[in-house]
Amino acid sequence: QLQLQESGPGLVKPSETLSLTCSVSGGSISSSGYYWGWIRQPPGKGLEWIGSIHSSGSTYYNPSLKSRVTISVDTSKNQFSLKLSSVTAADTAVYYCARPNSSGRFTHFDYWGQGTLVTVSS
Amino acid sequence: QSALTQPASVSGSPGQSITISCTGTSSDVGGYNYVSWYQQHPGKAPKHMIYDVSNRPSGVSNRFSGSKSGNTASLTISGLQAEDEADYYCSSYTSSNTLIFGGGTKLTVL
Repeated sequence: QLQLQESGPGLVKPSETLSLTCSVSGGSISSSGYYWGWIRQPPGKGLEWIGSIHSSGSTYYNPSLKSRVTISVDTSKNQFSLKLSSVTAADTAVYYCARPNSSGRFTHFDYWGQGTLVTVSS
Repeated sequence: QSALTQPASVSGSPGQSITISCTGTSSDVGGYNYVSWYQQHPGKAPKHMIYDVSNRPSGVSNRFSGSKSGNTASLTISGLQAEDEADYYCSSYTSSNTLIFGGGTKLTVL
């Protein structure tokens, strides 16, 4: 059974870069054709798709975040990562990593990490 | 991209059926059969309930069903149970090769 686990600092200062890692177990991140995604949820608010990366490295980002987001894959560590630069209090949220059950698409997510709360504050 | 439009809240009594709507545009909901629905209990990660408008992932109760007409998708829960009380989110693929979520609907089982 595929399992995902987010990790990273729980507190980030304004204007700095938020960096999170999603560790994958029960499957290989380089498995052909899968997309790996990041979604966030501000406290008390709804879900927001941040972006997705294909196992080949191609990426798709939310246009509202695109200028500040980088998603990458580290196959040697079976992980993928999120970097969000120039953060503000509006970036405070629970961040989830996720993956669909079907390869070749990022239209939905079947496997989710437990989520990690990142607070932006000085 | 603007969030898909969902009602803020719906409610129903045990055993009843409820429907949650999700309205978008011809560039997302109306243009593709890639609408999904998620259930989220407080403090938990979302759970995938419906994909491709009307398909249920393995293990999801057949009390949950999805449909679409034009730019509006719907999630129907029949035989409402106490454990169905949760937040529900729709999502759709878009013509910009992105994903967009709805604002979420709080379901209360009376």
